[in-house]
Amino acid sequence: NAGVTQTPKFQVLKTGQSMTLQCAQDMNHEYMSWYRQDPGMGLRLIHYSVGAGITDQGEVPNGYNVSRSTTEDFPLRLLSAAPSQTSVYFCASSGRTEAFFGQGTRLTVV
Amino acid sequence: LAKTTQPISMDSYEGQEVNITCSHNNIATNDYITWYQQFPSQGPRFIIQGYKTKVTNEVASLFIPADRKSSTLSLPRVSLSDTAVYYCLVGEWTNAGKSTFGDGTTLTVKP
Repeated sequence: NAGVTQTPKFQVLKTGQSMTLQCAQDMNHEYMSWYRQDPGMGLRLIHYSVGAGITDQGEVPNGYNVSRSTTEDFPLRLLSAAPSQTSVYFCASSGRTEAFFGQGTRLTVV
Repeated sequence: LAKTTQPISMDSYEGQEVNITCSHNNIATNDYITWYQQFPSQGPRFIIQGYKTKVTNEVASLFIPADRKSSTLSLPRVSLSDTAVYYCLVGEWTNAGKSTFGDGTTLTVKP
């Protein structure tokens, strides 16, 4: 049982480049979320989805896009990377009681 | 969104019981209280969730008073491996878009 799988684990981007962070879950959860965590801080919600075809913004959505075409996948797209987006990104999949988090993607924008 | 307040850091010694209190004065009727643990370079991991009174599982207990404006996570007989950041969340059961992670409490367990 893989749970929540994020790829890649590490990524370095140049300012202005775009990329997609992948997230997949095998628990058949309807709810999925993307968070970012800056050094020494808690997690901040970027976008979330309550089911296939339904997404909504969290606290810090600017500069990011999401889509949910299937229950299993919830990719996060950075449209034009900026140094302020240097962070660790976590994807979560939520069941009725708890959220399961992936291992994170450490992104550096130079 | 219910805002939570936790101590920034706590120190303890191996074998002691640790209690971390979280304040959430604006908790709503439908909100649950959930605690997560995070180790460096890992995603948060669910510890325990409750709505009122006391909840206990194999790793922790959660105490919630009648007014639900605070909660206390109790870790019995901590070990060095319990050194981590602990987050208190308040929100609907899904957590998605309904609650936020504060800065958490950094617990350091010393030998």
